[in-house]
Amino acid sequence: AQRVTQPEKLLSVFKGAPVELKCNYSYSGSPELFWYVQYSRQRLQLLLRHISRESIKGFTADLNKGETSFHLKKPFAQEEDSAMYYCALGYNQGGKLIFGQGTELSVKP
Amino acid sequence: EAGVAQSPRYKIIEKRQSVAFWCNPISGHATLYWYQQILGQGPKLLIQFQNNGVVDDSQLPKDRFSAERLKGVDSTLKIQPAKLEDSAVYLCASSLVAGVYNEQFFGPGTRLTVL
Repeated sequence: AQRVTQPEKLLSVFKGAPVELKCNYSYSGSPELFWYVQYSRQRLQLLLRHISRESIKGFTADLNKGETSFHLKKPFAQEEDSAMYYCALGYNQGGKLIFGQGTELSVKP
Repeated sequence: EAGVAQSPRYKIIEKRQSVAFWCNPISGHATLYWYQQILGQGPKLLIQFQNNGVVDDSQLPKDRFSAERLKGVDSTLKIQPAKLEDSAVYLCASSLVAGVYNEQFFGPGTRLTVL
């Protein structure tokens, strides 16, 4: 069965420190992976998708099919990065998404 | 462009009562999704519409939940009768067309509390 796991409920770092939010998935086919973010009092929004291979707000994520992971990384965290981050797996032509449980990132000054 | 609109933003009801949520997607978006997000969990898809047809309702508890999108634009999600475990945020999202490569845009959600 398809599944997305985010092992950390809360990740707390200091400003300027590197950040890695972990995401592991279970899917037998060819996965499409996404990171969504929800800032305080804002809507859930797409941060980045693996197929775009882009860096958004300094964040990158590499799909590792061998380890079935799609970890989100940023070399230097900023206070404005504090938010809930959700990893999501898209797995059919209809665009169905399965979300992980989410990781709350707290960046302290 | 205007985003996905949802109402009401908050709703408190007693168990066994009925409740309805409304969603207006982004203009021109053919695909509409309803998600349930229980506290501490990620969103879970309940139902997906393509225009006014249902694409996927495999996780919709059909004994108590129903949804419609009669004219292929607005949608309503109804719970009848509500249970305590239905307390959650109900999110509506829309995308231009169906498909994993098409970004889903989310509304602000409706927070339901069942007492």
